[in-house]
Amino acid sequence: AQSVTQLDSQVPVFEEAPVELRCNYSSSVSVYLFWYVQYPNQGLQLLLKYLSGSTLVKGINGFEAEFNKSQTSFHLRKPSVHISDTAEYFCAVSDRGGFKTIFGAGTRLFVKA
Amino acid sequence: EAQVTQNPRYLITVTGKKLTVTCSQNMNHEYMSWYRQDPGLGLRQIYYSMNVEVTDKGDVPEGYKVSRKEKRNFPLILESPSPNQTSLYFCASSLLVVGGASTGELFFGEGSRLTVL
Repeated sequence: AQSVTQLDSQVPVFEEAPVELRCNYSSSVSVYLFWYVQYPNQGLQLLLKYLSGSTLVKGINGFEAEFNKSQTSFHLRKPSVHISDTAEYFCAVSDRGGFKTIFGAGTRLFVKA
Repeated sequence: EAQVTQNPRYLITVTGKKLTVTCSQNMNHEYMSWYRQDPGLGLRQIYYSMNVEVTDKGDVPEGYKVSRKEKRNFPLILESPSPNQTSLYFCASSLLVVGGASTGELFFGEGSRLTVL
């Protein structure tokens, strides 16, 4: 069975500051890893994904994440955030068949001016 | 435009009154899935379907039914809604690649907010 833990439920940060949203997972099999973003009153959209290969993954809107197999982590980072990055971010893991995706509880990023 | 469309977007109903939330995708995806989103719990999978007439339970299937008679549609049925089914529901779809596996990348609808009184 897989599980996902997002270590922070809320992260307030000032505009143009760097941010890291933390995600740890557990699984007995190899997995795919994802970060999704949910803007207010919208569905989720994919930010980035790790399937295989390079452990540093770049996504949309300047976000990147690093897969660390030994620490079973997939933390999301952005060097300089904007007000428009205010949203809820979900880390997710799926088995390699891709049929069951488990989501974390979400981290609400709040960017202040 | 590639999209997943859910209807209704908002619904208030009463306990026991059967309802259906429709989901349609225009991307020719084989895989479709329903999730519910509750505060502090993230998204939990209700049911999923790998193709027409192939469905399976997710983590929280109790009180829900689904059907997959056409590739593009995957309706969620609440036969006798109860207040604990008040939630935000999302439909999602994904492409299956050669060999029948999925990359796991999900495309989501905009959500259906259901309130059961």
